[in-house]
Amino acid sequence: AQSVTQLGSHVSVSEGALVLLRCNYSSSVPPYLFWYVQYPNQGLQLLLKYTSAATLVKGINGFEAEFKKSETSFHLTKPSAHMSDAAEYFCAVSATTSGTYKYIFGTGTRLKVLA
Amino acid sequence: ETGVTQTPRHLVMGMTNKKSLKCEQHLGHNAMYWYKQSAKKPLELMFVYSLEERVENNSVPSRFSPECPNSSHLFLHLHTLQPEDSALYLCASSQALTNTGELFFGEGSRLTVL
Repeated sequence: AQSVTQLGSHVSVSEGALVLLRCNYSSSVPPYLFWYVQYPNQGLQLLLKYTSAATLVKGINGFEAEFKKSETSFHLTKPSAHMSDAAEYFCAVSATTSGTYKYIFGTGTRLKVLA
Repeated sequence: ETGVTQTPRHLVMGMTNKKSLKCEQHLGHNAMYWYKQSAKKPLELMFVYSLEERVENNSVPSRFSPECPNSSHLFLHLHTLQPEDSALYLCASSQALTNTGELFFGEGSRLTVL
């Protein structure tokens, strides 16, 4: 079975500061991992995904995430926060059982960027 | 048009009304999903369709009735809803259930039940 834990339902950073959003996963088989972003009154948009190639994954809008198997983590980072980064971020894991992939989402982390 | 389109974006209905949410994907995907997003709750998977066949129904009340007439269209028929059904309903698609690709989401239909 797979699960995802996002530590911190709310994170506040100052504009220009480092963004770090934490995600830990549990999976009995090699997982595929995703970060999605949701702006107010919109659907979820893919930021980046890990599919067993490079462990450091670069995504859109300057975000990146590093897959660390030993820590079962896939934390999302951005060196310098912009006001436009204020949104809710979801980590998700996908893994196959009997050939069908299922997606499990974390509970989300709302990022607030302070001027 | 590209991506996943949901209509209507906003819907207000009484508990005795019947309405439908529509989702259309222009990506050539074979799998489509309905998710419910309520405040302060995790994203809840409701239904999954693969090539128009329902493959998952996560204990959703019968007042929600999905329909998938073809691989590009997905409906969610609503009847005799409760106020606690008020939420953002998200449609998503993926290339196939046997594929590791990501989900593509529509912008959602915001439902308010009075």
